Amino acid sequence: QKEVEQDPGPLSVPEGAIVSLNCTYSNSAFQYFMWYRQYSRKGPELLMYTYSSGNKEDGRFTAQVDKSSKYISLFIRDSQPSDSATYLCAMSAWGAGGTSYGKLTFGQGTILTVHP
Amino acid sequence: DAGITQSPRYKITETGRQVTLMCHQTWSHSYMFWYRQDLGHGLRLIYYSAAADITDKGEVPDGYVVSRSKTENFPLTLESATRSQTSVYFCASSEPGRFYNEQFFGPGTRLTVL
Repeated sequence: QKEVEQDPGPLSVPEGAIVSLNCTYSNSAFQYFMWYRQYSRKGPELLMYTYSSGNKEDGRFTAQVDKSSKYISLFIRDSQPSDSATYLCAMSAWGAGGTSYGKLTFGQGTILTVHP
Repeated sequence: DAGITQSPRYKITETGRQVTLMCHQTWSHSYMFWYRQDLGHGLRLIYYSAAADITDKGEVPDGYVVSRSKTENFPLTLESATRSQTSVYFCASSEPGRFYNEQFFGPGTRLTVL
């Protein structure tokens, strides 16, 4: 079983829809949670990060972490065609004084298409 | 230009050949990483490096070799390429002290092994 599981989709939604992307994980040591966005034929770029449990909002994007359930989510409100990309969740157990060398564990990525 | 670059962007080679993928970053980040990306597997870590002359295996290191003689360069070598190594390869870098470990990715190298 993979440490991080993510539904690869693909997910196709109409413009303006609310999109929910999710990941589950098994390693309880993970404490930093990130979402990367990857456009076609490009490298991934950090979209949002959260520490431990809770919510974080940035414009149309909201990241949620539920450590008790080992479940993280990314919500996209009022989705736009420009949001069409692959979304990868990533997690890290590294902290101050840690020795994991900043390694991230990624989910499989969800391919999202927002059609006009 | 500042940032992280990879070369070549596209490479076609034959089974058994040696191939080296180059990665160069201008930020002087301490950490560097090599991933491969395949459908259904996401990004899988091949090797990583905490500093010059310090490297270690990731999740899928077999068939790959890395070196890091200079902080800014982190080449990945496929010693004898196999078809299963057909993939998109990404290099990334990050700097310790950023508690959330943002990794900055290069544009990728698309490798085809015939």
